[in-house]
Amino acid sequence: EDKVVQSPLSLVVHEGDTVTLNCSYEVTNFRSLLWYKQEKKAPTFLFMLTSSGIEKKSGRLSSILDKKELFSILNITATQTGDSAVYLCLGSGNTGKLIFGQGTTLQVKP
Amino acid sequence: NAGVTQTPKFQVLKTGQSMTLQCAQDMNHEYMSWYRQDPGMGLRLIHYSVGAGITDQGEVPNGYNVSRSTTEDFPLRLLSAAPSQTSVYFCASSSGLLNTGELFFGEGSRLTVL
Repeated sequence: EDKVVQSPLSLVVHEGDTVTLNCSYEVTNFRSLLWYKQEKKAPTFLFMLTSSGIEKKSGRLSSILDKKELFSILNITATQTGDSAVYLCLGSGNTGKLIFGQGTTLQVKP
Repeated sequence: NAGVTQTPKFQVLKTGQSMTLQCAQDMNHEYMSWYRQDPGMGLRLIHYSVGAGITDQGEVPNGYNVSRSTTEDFPLRLLSAAPSQTSVYFCASSSGLLNTGELFFGEGSRLTVL
């Protein structure tokens, strides 16, 4: 059965800290892994990863995929209170069946 | 510039009632899907469609029906609502099985079943 597991489930840090969020996956005919940020409403897209070892970067956020070990990490450096959100990892195979992880709730304190 | 439109945003039902959550997208996306989100459980896939006339089950399909008669619309039907279906529902679409890298979400529909 396909599954995506995120860790930790929740995290509290202070502004300026660096955090690493983890996502492991088992997805049939794996195609890509995506990261989303969810605040009050619908998730918003952060990254899509399809190839091992190639870091995707956007400002203070970066992510990388390891297809051999079946995991991905999302790094956030110099965290700000605006980074407080639920971060979701999504595994995609080529069948259309998309599997989300449980999410990591990040709280950044001033 | 509508994107993905879900209606209604809020709904309260009594156990046993039926209803349809509407989802429409104006981006000509082939792929559409429905998720439910419960506290601590992330988003769970209910049903999805890779094109008009094609639907398939996700992780938690029981109690829900879908159809895809047009590319634009993907309604989700609750035939006999149960309290366990109290949740926030999201519809999402994408062009060609996520090959553009993004799943576009609607604003969500909060459903309460009493």
